[in-house]
Amino acid sequence: SQTIHQWPATLVQPVGSPLSLECTVEGTSNPNLYWYRQAAGRGLQLLFYSVGIGQISSEVPQNLSASRPQDRQFILSSKKLLLSDSGFYLCAWSSLRGPGNTIYFGEGSWLTVV
Amino acid sequence: TQLLEQSPQFLSIQEGENLTVYCNSSSVFSSLQWYRQEPGEGPVLLVTVVTGGEVKKLKRLTFQFGDARKDSSLHITAAQPGDTGLYLCAGDGSSNTGKLIFGQGTTLQVKP
Repeated sequence: SQTIHQWPATLVQPVGSPLSLECTVEGTSNPNLYWYRQAAGRGLQLLFYSVGIGQISSEVPQNLSASRPQDRQFILSSKKLLLSDSGFYLCAWSSLRGPGNTIYFGEGSWLTVV
Repeated sequence: TQLLEQSPQFLSIQEGENLTVYCNSSSVFSSLQWYRQEPGEGPVLLVTVVTGGEVKKLKRLTFQFGDARKDSSLHITAAQPGDTGLYLCAGDGSSNTGKLIFGQGTTLQVKP
């Protein structure tokens, strides 16, 4: 069966420090990979989207970047964090490209920038 | 830009009551999904609807996709405290890319 795991689960970082959140998927190949951010108790905003190794689409201009060094690995990074980067970050994957595409989410990572 | 308007944003009801959550857009979606999320966890898929007019039932939950595939509803019958959580609708807009567009979410509290 397929699994998705992201870490760390919680992170407290000072303003101006770097960030690296990692996500891996097991049990599938060539998945679509996503990074979402969620404000407390609200909907999800798509940040990055990848259909293959080295292929990254940025959905919103921001202080963050994403990379996909391996087929099932997706990394969210920042060189210098801002207070506004605080939030709940979710990695997700999907494998179908047709109607009814199902997206599966990781456990989430809480980032607090202080 | 495709948007999904979800309503109501907050709902607090007593156990045993019925409720309906709405998800509306001016855009057409190739599919629409409903998720439920617990605090501090990732959303969990409840259902995917792909055909206009489609109705799916999951125990006490009934999901409907509008005929024009621009809107959807989630109806819960005889709500229970275990139904408490954040409900999110999400639409797959163009070309079935999997780039879901999410509604703002509905926070449901069911009091015993």
